[in-house]
Amino acid sequence: GENVEQHPSTLSVQEGDSAVIKCTYSDSASNYFPWYKQELGKRPQLIIDIRSNVGEKKDQRIAVTLNKTAKHFSLHITETQPEDSAVYFCAATDPFSGGYNKLIFGAGTRLAVHP
Amino acid sequence: DVKVTQSSRYLVKRTGEKVFLECVQDMDHENMFWYRQDPGLGLRLIYFSYDVKMKEKGDIPEGYSVSREKKERFSLILESASTNQTSMYLCASRLAGTGGGTDTQYFGPGTRLTVL
Repeated sequence: GENVEQHPSTLSVQEGDSAVIKCTYSDSASNYFPWYKQELGKRPQLIIDIRSNVGEKKDQRIAVTLNKTAKHFSLHITETQPEDSAVYFCAATDPFSGGYNKLIFGAGTRLAVHP
Repeated sequence: DVKVTQSSRYLVKRTGEKVFLECVQDMDHENMFWYRQDPGLGLRLIYFSYDVKMKEKGDIPEGYSVSREKKERFSLILESASTNQTSMYLCASRLAGTGGGTDTQYFGPGTRLTVL
């Protein structure tokens, strides 16, 4: 079945720097890749997603890139702010889950943005 | 705005007890999911339901069962709680279908369960 690996597990940056989190997936048939942000004590919330027919998507300071050949996708956060501090999870659809869009999650990256 | 609620934020139970965790969503979503979240392991799918009375095993179903008698409510049951089931449990829901904004899973606030 699908397997998703996420790196790094922790990331510490200075405010204003960029942060990049990378995920690799194993099944080339996966077609949907969301990123969730979970602030301390709160629920995971979708921040950006990308489908397999698109190579890059951007929303203000966040962007996601997808390399289908290499089977990896990355989250890019520019001009980081302290409120970006959270745990970020990547995910990929399990291609064997049919229309149910079952997600396989990475282990998470704890991002700390220092003022 | 989608709202997913869970019956308890914190729960403490004893080994061997039967435990019920409940999740309710108010957006008429067909699909509902139960995950457990453990440090370093991300979110792992326990069970999901694609419609009322329908259920499918996820990746770690052992020791758990589920019930979906009404569309808005999805219950996770620990038949005989064990200490290794101490974890954060997250419920999620989504609209059935593919594309057109149906991909998003909306999560509840989580229930932190401790089994002593």
